[in-house]
Amino acid sequence: NAGVTQTPKFQVLKTGQSMTLQCAQDMNHNSMYWYRQDPGMGLRLIYYSASEGTTDKGEVPNGYNVSRLNKREFSLRLESAAPSQTSVYFCASSEASRDRKAFFGQGTRLTVV
Amino acid sequence: QKEVEQNSGPLSVPEGAIASLNCTYSDRGSQSFFWYRQYSGKSPELIMSIYSNGDKEDGRFTAQLNKASQYVSLLIRDSQPSDSATYLCAVNMRSGGYQKVTFGTGTKLQVIP
Repeated sequence: NAGVTQTPKFQVLKTGQSMTLQCAQDMNHNSMYWYRQDPGMGLRLIYYSASEGTTDKGEVPNGYNVSRLNKREFSLRLESAAPSQTSVYFCASSEASRDRKAFFGQGTRLTVV
Repeated sequence: QKEVEQNSGPLSVPEGAIASLNCTYSDRGSQSFFWYRQYSGKSPELIMSIYSNGDKEDGRFTAQLNKASQYVSLLIRDSQPSDSATYLCAVNMRSGGYQKVTFGTGTKLQVIP
């Protein structure tokens, strides 16, 4: 009964370091999303993937890359971390039908120093 | 204009009162609307979905949709301190040939015992 699993839960990076946030879902959903959440800014879409093999930019894609490895997995990569990328990151997945209820992972708290 | 707009609050209501949360959206073609609850430090969880004009009730929660006015609301009856959280409005919107879920910034609700 895992749903959406994100790793890691916490991470501290130095400016310029790189890292990949992992996300996997076991609900056979076609669509997957990466959001960041900052105080007063709500959830902002970084990238999304409508289906396996497709990705598209969201509202705030700069500084990030994504890979839809297969239907289950959608990873987010920071190539050169910056303090502005300090945030809470959420992965989510949803069905591709009209009923696009999104289910979220537990989040990754990332601090870039 | 933001795609999905909410008053950030905080909205304070006494225990037992009705809390009314509001949301407007920009895409007239949107078909699916959701309310999520997010406790501090936790991930968003889906509490209501609505697709047709009118009211949809689920326990103490009622979602209301008016597509002509591009307006969706959430009523919480008999508010409890445990309802204190941030409520996120989400709308399934068209974007570049795809459908994606866009969130508002959330309204913080405080239920005063």
